[in-house]
Amino acid sequence: DTGVSQDPRHKITKRGQNVTFRCDPISEHNRLYWYRQTLGQGPEFLTYFQNEAQLEKSRLLSDRFSAERPKGSFSTLEIQRTEQGDSAMYLCASSYGQGGNQPQHFGDGTRLSIL
Amino acid sequence: AQSVTQPDIHITVSEGASLELRCNYSYGATPYLFWYVQSPGQGLQLLLKYFSGDTLVQGIKGFEAEFKRSQSSFNLRKPSVHWSDAAEYFCAVGVYSGNTPLVFGKGTRLSVIA
Repeated sequence: DTGVSQDPRHKITKRGQNVTFRCDPISEHNRLYWYRQTLGQGPEFLTYFQNEAQLEKSRLLSDRFSAERPKGSFSTLEIQRTEQGDSAMYLCASSYGQGGNQPQHFGDGTRLSIL
Repeated sequence: AQSVTQPDIHITVSEGASLELRCNYSYGATPYLFWYVQSPGQGLQLLLKYFSGDTLVQGIKGFEAEFKRSQSSFNLRKPSVHWSDAAEYFCAVGVYSGNTPLVFGKGTRLSVIA
């Protein structure tokens, strides 16, 4: 169990640029989640996948955000035309099974800073 | 929809003292409850979880939590705090619908003084 891996750890970019983050879940985990965390807040749900299917998206996920998990393994989160308000920590988590009782295991996150 | 309230934004305790972090949830049925800890710049680490059965659950690092249905609470406790426990603590609630992610509280920051 190598844990959930996220890349990059930090991303600094200018407003208006596109950014892409990658998440590699724990290998046997079928569920993958993306959360966003701003300073002084708890993580807020963005979207999640079961295998390669994107099953739910939060209203926080504007049309500038897109997420994929093409082969049911790693996932990418892309933000187009970044805005100042996108500055946050983006956390990925994975879990195994079907129910909400399965604990989610988190990566160390990607911290995005918009200049 | 479920929600979580952590009433204390910041708590300071002396090393060796006992600790209790409060968590109240709102949900119409029996929820699944979790406590996570986050060190600065890091992801979240699961401390413990409650699904059913015994209402007092033991976790890692000497933490425990008690589920009280009548109070809609799931408070985290530790009998003797260590300096390394200084971190941000998050309570979260999940449900079994299968399609619902965790809902987190805003967290409680724990400072430990000598």
